[in-house]
Amino acid sequence: AQSVTQLDSQVPVFEEAPVELRCNYSSSVSVYLFWYVQYPNQGLQLLLKYLSGSTLVKGINGFEAEFNKSQTSFHLRKPSVHISDTAEYFCAVKGSGSRLTFGEGTQLTVNP
Amino acid sequence: DTAVSQTPKYLVTQMGNDKSIKCEQNLGHDTMYWYKQDSKKFLKIMFSYNNKELIINETVPNRFSPKSPDKAHLNLHINSLELGDSAVYFCASFGADQANYGYTFGSGTRLTVV
Repeated sequence: AQSVTQLDSQVPVFEEAPVELRCNYSSSVSVYLFWYVQYPNQGLQLLLKYLSGSTLVKGINGFEAEFNKSQTSFHLRKPSVHISDTAEYFCAVKGSGSRLTFGEGTQLTVNP
Repeated sequence: DTAVSQTPKYLVTQMGNDKSIKCEQNLGHDTMYWYKQDSKKFLKIMFSYNNKELIINETVPNRFSPKSPDKAHLNLHINSLELGDSAVYFCASFGADQANYGYTFGSGTRLTVV
């Protein structure tokens, strides 16, 4: 079985500040990891994914994440956020099989 | 051309009614899913089908019945709707080809039971 923990339910930041959204996972097998963004009243959009290879993954909208196997983490970062980045962010893990398990989400609020 | 499309986008209905949500994907994926997002935004898997065969069936009331007429379609029928069924339901498909490995989600169906 696999699980995901997003360590912060809410992250408020000021515009142009850097941000890190934290994600830890547990799994008994090798995993694939994903970050999704959900803007208000919209669906889920893939930001980035880690399948294999380089542990630093770059995604859309200037986001990146680093896979750390020893710490079982996959934290999402952006060096300078915009108001438009305000949204709910979900970390998700896929282990063996095709089940995708989500964390509980982190609400990022960017203030002017 | 939407990859995973759900209909309807919004559904308001009375308690006790029966309703269906439809999902279609044009990505050629073999595996499709239904997820439920509750009022706290938590996303929980409900069902998964692989090429018309049920492979994941979480602890979901029997009032919920998925149906997959072919691998491009996965519909969700809900009998005797209850207030607690109010949520956003997402359909998704999974592709395992190297170029586009991963999951694609529909835009969701917001179900409100009154």
